[in-house]
Amino acid sequence: DAGVIQSPRHEVTEMGQEVTLRCKPISGHNSLFWYRQTMMRGLELLIYFNNNVPIDDSGMPEDRFSAKMPNASFSTLKIQPSEPRDSAVYFCASRKTGVGGYTFGSGTRLTVV
Amino acid sequence: DQQVKQNSPSLSVQEGRISILNCDYTNSMFDYFLWYKKYPAEGPTFLISISSIKDKNEDGRFTVFLNKSAKHLSLHIVPSQPGDSAVYFCAARKSDRGSTLGRLYFGRGTQLTVWP
Repeated sequence: DAGVIQSPRHEVTEMGQEVTLRCKPISGHNSLFWYRQTMMRGLELLIYFNNNVPIDDSGMPEDRFSAKMPNASFSTLKIQPSEPRDSAVYFCASRKTGVGGYTFGSGTRLTVV
Repeated sequence: DQQVKQNSPSLSVQEGRISILNCDYTNSMFDYFLWYKKYPAEGPTFLISISSIKDKNEDGRFTVFLNKSAKHLSLHIVPSQPGDSAVYFCAARKSDRGSTLGRLYFGRGTQLTVWP
């Protein structure tokens, strides 16, 4: 099992550009979570899906953020347009309902200059 | 609204001694608690958990204690080792039967440094 796979590992982009972060959950996991980690707020939940359906997106900071899960093996988090305050590490995690906690990916470090 | 709180952003302990990391929560609906460990440039990894029906769970050098009446849990590491130096996140979850479908609520983390 390769675990939760996120890409890219690092992304540096200019303000105003579109950024797309990608996540492949563990096969068989039916819940997927996007988190953002910053020094000020720690781990913030942005959005989560269950069986590919968005359940709660109240953590998405602004309309500039959007997330999709077109199938059980892929999800994207898009920021358009990006701003310097979006700079953070973005984590994806997946879980199988009824079984323990999450498994996290290695994260994408986003820097918006 | 921080439902899980880790009030100590950092802790420094000498190798061989006990490390005690603390966590408080506010939501009485939480029934499952976890600790995650995070090294730099990696994602958090699961360390140990405890169900609300227990007050202690032990796994090798790691023990988690739960005090439901105080809404408090702690992670004890004995003996501490330099390799334990990492950020430790406390997390809590409501029952899967609820509408939150297993969402974890995280604290802000405690940076543990174990020095030789």
